[in-house]
Amino acid sequence: DAGVTQSPTHLIKTRGQQVTLRCSPISGHKSVSWYQQVLGQGPQFIFQYYEKEERGRGNFPDRFSARQFPNYSSELNVNALLLGDSALYLCASSGQGRSTGELFFGEGSRLTVL
Amino acid sequence: SQKIEQNSEALNIQEGKTATLTCNYTNYSPAYLQWYRQDPGRGPVFLLLIRENEKEKRKERLKVTFDTTLKQSLFHITASQPADSATYLCALDNRSNDYKLSFGAGTTVTVRA
Repeated sequence: DAGVTQSPTHLIKTRGQQVTLRCSPISGHKSVSWYQQVLGQGPQFIFQYYEKEERGRGNFPDRFSARQFPNYSSELNVNALLLGDSALYLCASSGQGRSTGELFFGEGSRLTVL
Repeated sequence: SQKIEQNSEALNIQEGKTATLTCNYTNYSPAYLQWYRQDPGRGPVFLLLIRENEKEKRKERLKVTFDTTLKQSLFHITASQPADSATYLCALDNRSNDYKLSFGAGTTVTVRA
């Protein structure tokens, strides 16, 4: 069975640009979460979607947005990129229903902002 | 404010010994606590989940304890192997925000052959 897949795996952008990251959850999982991980720190929660509805949002500016599609895949968009947005962006899916439970992470999208 | 603190120092141990990692939390009321393993440049991998009413849980060479009075979890790797070298993250939910996990910064374990 395929795990959580994310694309692209690596990307380089310049300040002010916009980026879209994509995630496909494990088949049958309806919940998708996004986390940002800066080097040396633990993952920080950005969004959770369940059944195409946003259930929660972390302490991130409005430049960050996301959505979930009818097939439960998801996109994370970041506008007006800043140097500080350089990080590993992790997508995770869960089959626990609305609550988070055990998370299955993808390998991440490594974003570098120059 | 809410805090999750893991061993601040990296852990270097000899193969065959037991590694013990700590996770302390402040101002959380978790229904459960989880441990994940993360290798460099990879996504975290789920290892164990322990609920608030469970004192101890085991999986193969791993053991987790959870003390809600002390607000602490201990994570043990027994008979450690070089393949256990990785960063270990603890994560907990918060009853009022069950849509997210909050992670500690992780403890890096290196097992010497």
